[in-house]
Amino acid sequence: AQKITQTQPGMFVQEKEAVTLDCTYDTSDQSYGLFWYKQPSSGEMIFLIYQGSYDEQNATEGRYSLNFQKARKSANLVISASQLGDSAMYFCAMRSAHSGGYQKVTFGTGTKLQVIP
Amino acid sequence: GAVVSQHPSRVICKSGTSVKIECRSLDFQATTMFWYRQFPKKSLMLMATSNEGSKATYEQGVEKDKFLINHASLTLSTLTVTSAHPEDSSFYICSARAGRGGTSGRGQFFGPGTRLTVL
Repeated sequence: AQKITQTQPGMFVQEKEAVTLDCTYDTSDQSYGLFWYKQPSSGEMIFLIYQGSYDEQNATEGRYSLNFQKARKSANLVISASQLGDSAMYFCAMRSAHSGGYQKVTFGTGTKLQVIP
Repeated sequence: GAVVSQHPSRVICKSGTSVKIECRSLDFQATTMFWYRQFPKKSLMLMATSNEGSKATYEQGVEKDKFLINHASLTLSTLTVTSAHPEDSSFYICSARAGRGGTSGRGQFFGPGTRLTVL
């Protein structure tokens, strides 16, 4: 069974500072994908960044980077130069094979990030 | 990027009535659609996965007869909450994906969600 763990229910960061949101995962699959999504108060899920299990380099997307440590099964999200608009819930997710022949996405419990001016 | 729409965005209904939520992929064909449920300040819980033209696969603990899913076309999936009760009140989010195989990064897109309140 797949499991995603986010141990930080809430985080504060000063505007313009960097922040790291933790995510660990557990799976027996060899091939899987890791995602981070942002969910503002409006409720929509916004894709931020993706890391494939076979990708050798850490993924980066603008101010977002994913610190992928495969041996430790961790996929932490780093947000550089935090902005007030970054205040939201952040979910780590993993997509892996499902017995039905399709991909299944499992979400962590989320981290609420608040950026302080 | 690809767009997924949901309708309605918000619905309030009386206990015992049925509510239908539509999920549409607007600019791509979604062979697979996922339905999630999210309680306040909680994570997304996968309810079921539907593939176009076949029966939905429900996650353990999800009542098939209560949450009817129909994936009638490559751009439309519907979730019907039958005989809704207050405990069904939640935020329902659909996700659409083009293709089944591989673990490619892009390709799964979320709708804006539907907030259901059952009185």
